[in-house]
Amino acid sequence: AQKITQTQPGMFVQEKEAVTLDCTYDTSDPSYGLFWYKQPSSGEMIFLIYQGSYDQQNATEGRYSLNFQKARKSANLVISASQLGDSAMYFCAMREGIGGATNKLIFGTGTLLAVQP
Amino acid sequence: NAGVTQTPKFRVLKTGQSMTLLCAQDMNHEYMYWYRQDPGMGLRLIHYSVGEGTTAKGEVPDGYNVSRLKKQNFLLGLESAAPSQTSVYFCASNYYGDGYTFGSGTRLTVV
Repeated sequence: AQKITQTQPGMFVQEKEAVTLDCTYDTSDPSYGLFWYKQPSSGEMIFLIYQGSYDQQNATEGRYSLNFQKARKSANLVISASQLGDSAMYFCAMREGIGGATNKLIFGTGTLLAVQP
Repeated sequence: NAGVTQTPKFRVLKTGQSMTLLCAQDMNHEYMYWYRQDPGMGLRLIHYSVGEGTTAKGEVPDGYNVSRLKKQNFLLGLESAAPSQTSVYFCASNYYGDGYTFGSGTRLTVV
């Protein structure tokens, strides 16, 4: 069964510094997708970045990049030049099968990031 | 605006009462999902649907029922609410292989 593990319940980072949020996953399906979402205190789920299991290069979206290490089954989120507005809960999630029969998205338990001025 | 709309946004129920949460999407998405979010547990899948007229159980289906009579609507029902169902409920939808669109959530308190 698929599983997502986020081992950092909380993280602190100084403004303008980079931070890495850890995510490991477990699946027996060779085809899968990995997502990161941000949830600010207002509660909405904001999509940040996506990595497909067959993608050759690590995904990047502005200040967000995904450090994808397939052999280690890890998909860490790197936020460069942290801003105060980055303070939020961050979730890693996985979908087994690209466009599969169920498209189910399974989440990790999240990491609460606090950016300090 | 196109997206996923959840109603209501807040609700307080007494133990044993019933209620239905509505999720509506106007993007013609095939897949729809109900999640609950509890502190320290992330989002857990309750039920999902892969198309009109279909439903299936997720990780934590007990105490909930769902229906998808119309493609655009996915209803989550609590027949006899319990304090353990106090949570924030999210609905999401997507099209085959694409990203997911989430609703803004429903905060439910059962007293």
